[in-house]
Amino acid sequence: NAGVTQTPKFQVLKTGQSMTLQCAQDMNHNSMYWYRQDPGMGLRLIYYSASEGTTDKGEVPNGYNVSRLNKREFSLRLESAAPSQTSVYFCASSAGLGLLSPLHFGNGTRLTVT
Amino acid sequence: GEDVEQSLFLSVREGDSSVINCTYTDSSSTYLYWYKQEPGAGLQLLTYIFSNMDMKQDQRLTVLLNKKDKHLSLRIADTQTGDSAIYFCAESMSPDTGRRALTFGSGTRLQVQP
Repeated sequence: NAGVTQTPKFQVLKTGQSMTLQCAQDMNHNSMYWYRQDPGMGLRLIYYSASEGTTDKGEVPNGYNVSRLNKREFSLRLESAAPSQTSVYFCASSAGLGLLSPLHFGNGTRLTVT
Repeated sequence: GEDVEQSLFLSVREGDSSVINCTYTDSSSTYLYWYKQEPGAGLQLLTYIFSNMDMKQDQRLTVLLNKKDKHLSLRIADTQTGDSAIYFCAESMSPDTGRRALTFGSGTRLQVQP
């Protein structure tokens, strides 16, 4: 059972470079999310997709774009990376937006921007 | 706005009970959650409690909710070295809007000493 798969696991970028973080889930979940985790700050929601074809901003969307490519895949793009985007990024999915739909997390992508 | 706070670190001896505390500010929270993060992995849902409950027990885990004081705790009985991890408290947001996003605390690192 793969669950939520994120690639890559690690990435180093220079300021101004762009990249896309990939996420795929095999649980037939409707909703998908991107969070970033910074020391002492918990997880903060960047963007989420309630269902295929929809995306919404979360708490910290600036500097990011997302694409819900299909039901399985939800990508996060950094168009021009900045050192402030150094973080661990987690993708998550859930069956729906209902409050009892637990989030299933991937193992994270550790991104460093120099 | 929403804010969830936790102490950063807790150390206990194997076999003792652990109590991890959390305070939140959003009085409209409907569900409160505890997630566990092991090194190099994403978060896993441990348990949750509905806001009209005072207590929930699930095997070695006991969740206590004091809604008046907006205080949530997680008690782990007979703590084992495998319980060493970071524990995140999270609250639900705006259920009436249909949006589904959690606000996470900064996490409590539990260290279990043999």
